[in-house]
Amino acid sequence: SAVISQKPSRDICQRGTSLTIQCQVDSQVTMMFWYRQQPGQSLTLIATANQGSEATYESGFVIDKFPISRPNLTFSTLTVSNLSPEDSSIYLCSVETSAVYEQYFGPGTRLTVT
Amino acid sequence: AQSVTQPDIHITVSEGASLELRCNYSYGATPYLFWYVQSPGQGLQLLLKYFSGDTLVQGIKGFEAEFKRSQSSFNLRKPSVHWSDAAEYFCAATRKGILTGGGNKLTFGTGTQLKVEL
Repeated sequence: SAVISQKPSRDICQRGTSLTIQCQVDSQVTMMFWYRQQPGQSLTLIATANQGSEATYESGFVIDKFPISRPNLTFSTLTVSNLSPEDSSIYLCSVETSAVYEQYFGPGTRLTVT
Repeated sequence: AQSVTQPDIHITVSEGASLELRCNYSYGATPYLFWYVQSPGQGLQLLLKYFSGDTLVQGIKGFEAEFKRSQSSFNLRKPSVHWSDAAEYFCAATRKGILTGGGNKLTFGTGTQLKVEL
């Protein structure tokens, strides 16, 4: 398994601003994932972040809105840009460890856009 | 298209009663299957997984799940529920096989909210 931390745990942001979410893992991992969980909904994959390469985005998510950095094997950031109330969600990062196909999740970042 | 269905949005059980949460999948090939639990304000915790072999898998916290290929199901069970089991439960699946640059994408069901009555 892996221990994953996220910062901030929650934030309230104004429309039009941006929020950067940090994800830190206690061990080196190849694959990191970012998910969105809208209120009362399931999890939707935003993108997959491999160290040293561009993130791979899912249909409906674009880099201009959700830029991702992956500078090393233990850290990643997700920025949610030009915020609107529709971006109010929980954002979770997850990692795939050496136990392939198993993903472990961080505690999430609860974003409220006013 | 690949999908995971959890037919029950909410389930209420009495403490000490048995529990079964339903999960059905639709995949072109045999998927890898998972159950996660999300407690309020927490991230997702992996309860158990099925890759192959014995169709009855044991997980943490006394949970088990049974893979039934003929029914495309992977139902989660617990013989005796504790009040601390109240949470949201997610079934998830990924496709077995080729690793891609996009990683192994988990497809989640919509979740089942479990309430435990004392």
